Amino acid sequence: DAKTTQPTSMDCAEGRAANLPCNHSTISGNEYVYWYRQIHSQGPQYIIHGLKNNETNEMASLIITEDRKSSTLILPHATLRDTAVYYCIVRVSGTYKYIFGTGTRLKVLA
Amino acid sequence: GAGVSQTPSNKVTEKGKYVELRCDPISGHTALYWYRQSLGQGPEFLIYFQGTGAADDSGLPNDRFFAVRPEGSVSTLKIQRTERGDSAVYLCASSLKGTSPGGGEQFFGPGTRLTVL
Repeated sequence: DAKTTQPTSMDCAEGRAANLPCNHSTISGNEYVYWYRQIHSQGPQYIIHGLKNNETNEMASLIITEDRKSSTLILPHATLRDTAVYYCIVRVSGTYKYIFGTGTRLKVLA
Repeated sequence: GAGVSQTPSNKVTEKGKYVELRCDPISGHTALYWYRQSLGQGPEFLIYFQGTGAADDSGLPNDRFFAVRPEGSVSTLKIQRTERGDSAVYLCASSLKGTSPGGGEQFFGPGTRLTVL
């Protein structure tokens, strides 16, 4: 079944790049990888998604390995407001069931 | 524009009671999802609507849980005979592109915190 594995927590200095890894070795060939983040007591917020090519938007960059078994979310210049839980998400193939996992708690330090 | 709204923001009930949780999606979004989030865990998929119909209800934990979306907009999650283990934050999300290959960006509401005493 679809599953993601992420480190439980990470720290990053303010102004530095935050690199958040995710393992999704069971991902199906036509399923996207999504990244969301959740700030305390709020609903998750979309960040970025990709299929096989690297993607970049105003919030972040997403690097997907060639075998698609893992990806890395990059926040190029982390700020204190980026402190949140970051989820790497995949969908179970043939369904609309998105698997969130337990996420990575990123703490940006001043 | 207005985002996804959920009411009530908090609901406290007693074991065995019936509750309804409401979700107002973003206008024009045909896809609607319900998730449940327990403390310290990521959101857990419950059900997906495309329009009025439940296209995937594989995440509903048992037959005490039911959801409707009669006019393809507002959705209500209904829980019968509540149990203490049902205590969680119930999140609703809507999307423009539920049926596209990528599924599309989901916009989440703030959630309803349900506490069953």
